[in-house]
Amino acid sequence: LAKTTQPISMDSYEGQEVNITCSHNNIATNDYITWYQQFPSQGPRFIIQGYKTKVTNEVASLFIPADRKSSTLSLPRVSLSDTAVYYCLVGNSGSARQLTFGSGTQLTVLP
Amino acid sequence: NAGVMQNPRHLVRRRGQEARLRCSPMKGHSHVYWYRQLPEEGLKFMVYLQKENIIDESGMPKERFSAEFPKEGPSILRIQQVVRGDSAAYFCASSPQEDGYTFGSGTRLTVV
Repeated sequence: LAKTTQPISMDSYEGQEVNITCSHNNIATNDYITWYQQFPSQGPRFIIQGYKTKVTNEVASLFIPADRKSSTLSLPRVSLSDTAVYYCLVGNSGSARQLTFGSGTQLTVLP
Repeated sequence: NAGVMQNPRHLVRRRGQEARLRCSPMKGHSHVYWYRQLPEEGLKFMVYLQKENIIDESGMPKERFSAEFPKEGPSILRIQQVVRGDSAAYFCASSPQEDGYTFGSGTRLTVV
């Protein structure tokens, strides 16, 4: 299972764009990259998933360079409600058995 | 369509007692996964079940822990003779197949 490394914490201000980078040097050919968001006292919530290049949905963008050894989650114009822990996971096509949650990145959005 | 329902939300047990955690998957979902989250850590996979079958229990502790997903009713994670180290948040996720899963809000177990 590919191990991931991401910053322990980040601070930002409302309205700013936030980029959280995750390193996954030993990602396998058939691994996808998935990001989850977790609020206190709640279960993780799926944000976005990608394999290569760029993926965008209504809440975030995911940038994956050609070598796939890292990925960057981009949150446009964050608000206070985006304060949460963000997890980067690498696994085979989203199988829950193969997901390994690291410690995540605690994002704190300040007013 | 209700999400994944876990109960109780909070459970307090004395050392040596049994803890039973319940998970009702989303309607139409036949795959259930249990995860444990210790304080300040990420979630750790415990077990994957389908109706009446344990598919993968590679993350389950060898002793005191068991899980089931009967034909009727919720999935149950059972912890016998709890110890303080079992205190954690236990999350259940479900999926219609082995992909696209949704997590519940978890059960916070406190062993005193």
